[in-house]
Amino acid sequence: QAQLVESGGGVVQPGRSLRLSCTASGFTFSSYGMHWVRQAPGKGLEWVAVIWYDGSNIQYADSVKGRFTISRDNSKNMVYLQMNSLRTEDTAVYYCAREKVAVDAFDIWGQGTMVTVSS
Amino acid sequence: DIQMTQSPSSLSASVGDRVTITCRASQGIRNDLGWYQQKPGKAPKRLIYAASSLQSGVPSRFSGSGSGTEFTLTISSLQPEDFATYYCLQHNSYPRTFGQGTKLEIK
Repeated sequence: QAQLVESGGGVVQPGRSLRLSCTASGFTFSSYGMHWVRQAPGKGLEWVAVIWYDGSNIQYADSVKGRFTISRDNSKNMVYLQMNSLRTEDTAVYYCAREKVAVDAFDIWGQGTMVTVSS
Repeated sequence: DIQMTQSPSSLSASVGDRVTITCRASQGIRNDLGWYQQKPGKAPKRLIYAASSLQSGVPSRFSGSGSGTEFTLTISSLQPEDFATYYCLQHNSYPRTFGQGTKLEIK
């Protein structure tokens, strides 16, 4: 069955960098756009970024634009989120989720990985 | 950006009650909306897609309706396992946006 598994979270100091990974299995990864969504402790869900199935379209939330970079490797069934210049307000659980444009969206989510930005 | 206004933000109800949660979009989104249930420490789980289609495996007491700017999620008879937080999500345009969430608590 379709599955997404995030990894790479941890504790990092403000201003430093971290790279998250999301590994897909059980479906044709190269046919799906991939999103990152985050949730700060005790808060709601916030969309972060998307990359289309072929990497041709990338979008970011204003809150991360210029600091975060989303990328993918279809040969490895993986999507990444490179997070630079981290701030305390980036502390959150980060989820990846898939979307097939004009067909289906956010049906499968990973279990999440926690990122804590603290000195 | 499309704003999703979800109400109420919290709701206290009893087992067996019928409850309705509403999301209003700041502009028309056709039926490009999903409803999600989230329990503490878990990832969101989709209940409804395309505004009114029931996700496979989800109990039939959950239903969704609406199109354009007004959407509702209804739980016809609350069960103990339904006490959770619920979110709507629009995927009509970027940035994708969520409602603020509705925390459903036991009365």
